[in-house]
Amino acid sequence: DQQVKQNSPSLSVQEGRISILNCDYTNSMFDYFLWYKKYPAEGPTFLISISSIKDKNEDGRFTVFLNKSAKHLSLHIVPSQPGDSAVYFCAAFSGTYKYIFGTGTRLKVLA
Amino acid sequence: ETGVTQSPTHLIKTRGQQVTLRCSSQSGHNTVSWYQQALGQGPQFIFQYYREEENGRGNFPPRFSGLQFPNYSSELNVNALELDDSALYLCASSLAEQGLGDEQFFGPGTRLTVL
Repeated sequence: DQQVKQNSPSLSVQEGRISILNCDYTNSMFDYFLWYKKYPAEGPTFLISISSIKDKNEDGRFTVFLNKSAKHLSLHIVPSQPGDSAVYFCAAFSGTYKYIFGTGTRLKVLA
Repeated sequence: ETGVTQSPTHLIKTRGQQVTLRCSSQSGHNTVSWYQQALGQGPQFIFQYYREEENGRGNFPPRFSGLQFPNYSSELNVNALELDDSALYLCASSLAEQGLGDEQFFGPGTRLTVL
């Protein structure tokens, strides 16, 4: 049973435009959400996180939005750059389940 | 500051064998977690150690076991290897006490192939 879902396996965006990556979760016990970026042959690297008590967190070009009633979060990257091309994982954290990762979305930013 | 390192990079084993994977956490990081990432999937949580004690476990059988040492290194041991154990194994360390949802730093992983 997939508690964290990323329903879009891939996404292509033009350079300079906005990239929106989506993530849905099923368990309301999650109290912290994180986004990771992964390049080939490397481990995931942390991008941005959000606590369940907030609905938005911004860090430079990256913004994460959390809609608790819909159990949905999204990562916005604007403007998108070719170096952003990678696989993006969302992860949810709770004391019980620790970290649950989604299956990832492969973002391709076209120059 | 050194990052998280893992060894070996690649490993090939046969069914029924045992394997030990190693991880060296960032200095000062008391929490280490191990993940299994199958092809096309996200990392799946195996277990977490905090100050050398297991602090949480995912849905993995007892033949997956671990150790954490005082020098910030840790091991993942898998007994009686099965074909489905073929995956990328990632370790991640963090400063957070008992892994309270803080940023984790991942190593590059060990690619295990079971034939």
